[in-house]
Amino acid sequence: GQSLEQPSEVTAVEGAIVQINCTYQTSGFYGLSWYQQHDGGAPTFLSYNALDGLEETGRFSSFLSRSDSYGYLLLQELQMKDSASYFCAVPQTGANNLFFGTGTRLTVIP
Amino acid sequence: GAGVSQSPSNKVTEKGKDVELRCDPISGHTALYWYRQSLGQGLEFLIYFQGNSAPDKSGLPSDRFSAERTGGSVSTLTIQRTQQEDSAVYLCASSAAGGLGEKLFFGSGTQLSVL
Repeated sequence: GQSLEQPSEVTAVEGAIVQINCTYQTSGFYGLSWYQQHDGGAPTFLSYNALDGLEETGRFSSFLSRSDSYGYLLLQELQMKDSASYFCAVPQTGANNLFFGTGTRLTVIP
Repeated sequence: GAGVSQSPSNKVTEKGKDVELRCDPISGHTALYWYRQSLGQGLEFLIYFQGNSAPDKSGLPSDRFSAERTGGSVSTLTIQRTQQEDSAVYLCASSAAGGLGEKLFFGSGTQLSVL
């Protein structure tokens, strides 16, 4: 089967940097995606890593290490509006849908 | 439309009744997905449509759940004889071609409450 492990909750201070980790177990790895979801809102795409290394998009970066079956989302210069749930996801084995982790709830405090 | 549209946004029903949830994907997107999200939980895959291919129904939790996609566009998720455990947010998403790693665009969901 597949599994994704991420911390359930993270708290960080406004202006700081926070890293949200995701460890995966899957056969036939095809990349790691990250989605953000504000309370009551729709999940929105943040990033996708198919190859090892760091991908940067503004304040957000995503990292992948396929040999360690591990990735993380890095949020810099945290803002209050970054308070949300963050989900890592991988393609479902043998299917076309995305398999999502249970999410990390990030709370940014002043 | 500009984004994925779902209706209704909220649905309250009595146990045992049937409900229909609608999803209008982004125009031109061939792939359409239904997910379910219980309070504070992750997203549970339900069903996937790609063009005119047979849908992937592997995530449907029981035969009370079914979905259609007419004309490769609008989709309807039907839950028959609803149970309290069906209460959740039902999310629809679409993507351009359903490729690996492709960005999914989600609607705001239908909050279903079964009393």
